[in-house]
Amino acid sequence: NAGVTQTPKFRVLKTGQSMTLLCAQDMNHEYMYWYRQDPGMGLRLIHYSVGEGTTAKGEVPDGYNVSRLKKQNFLLGLESAAPSQTSVYFCASRESSANYGYTFGSGTRLTVV
Amino acid sequence: GQQLNQSPQSMFIQEGEDVSMNCTSSSIFNTWLWYKQDPGEGPVLLIALYKAGELTSNGRLTAQFGITRKDSFLNISASIPSDVGIYFCAGQLGNNDMRFGAGTRLTVKP
Repeated sequence: NAGVTQTPKFRVLKTGQSMTLLCAQDMNHEYMYWYRQDPGMGLRLIHYSVGEGTTAKGEVPDGYNVSRLKKQNFLLGLESAAPSQTSVYFCASRESSANYGYTFGSGTRLTVV
Repeated sequence: GQQLNQSPQSMFIQEGEDVSMNCTSSSIFNTWLWYKQDPGEGPVLLIALYKAGELTSNGRLTAQFGITRKDSFLNISASIPSDVGIYFCAGQLGNNDMRFGAGTRLTVKP
């Protein structure tokens, strides 16, 4: 049971480039989330999804887009990367509204130069 | 946004010592959770608290949901080297709105 898998683990982008981060979970969880983690700060929610075909904005959504075409996958896109988007990105999922125990992936470290 | 104030920012302790860290907020939370993050990994859930006043243990870890619903603490007893890591508190505001503290970095000296 792999849990939550994020790809890639590391990436360096030039300012203005685009990329997609992939999150896959094999636990049949309904809810999925994208967070970013910056030094000295807690994780901040970018976007989330409460089910296949649905997405919603979190605390810091600007500059990002997401899609949930399949229940097991949640994609995070950066259309035009900026240095301020240098961060470690974590995907998480959870089973249902009654259980707030999120399962996190191991993260994607993104550097925008 | 709603801020969680987690303290201390870092702790350096000897193996065998007890550890205490806490989280406070000006907002009321429905749920408090504590996570641990090892280097290069995502956070892993340690304890979840669902009711005000609730005191829950998980091995050497004990956490409490404050009566006012605005705070929580985590205690680790008899620390061991593998306790090293960053501990995060998290508070659930709404169904999909979880806010995280900035973390407490724990170092345990053998």
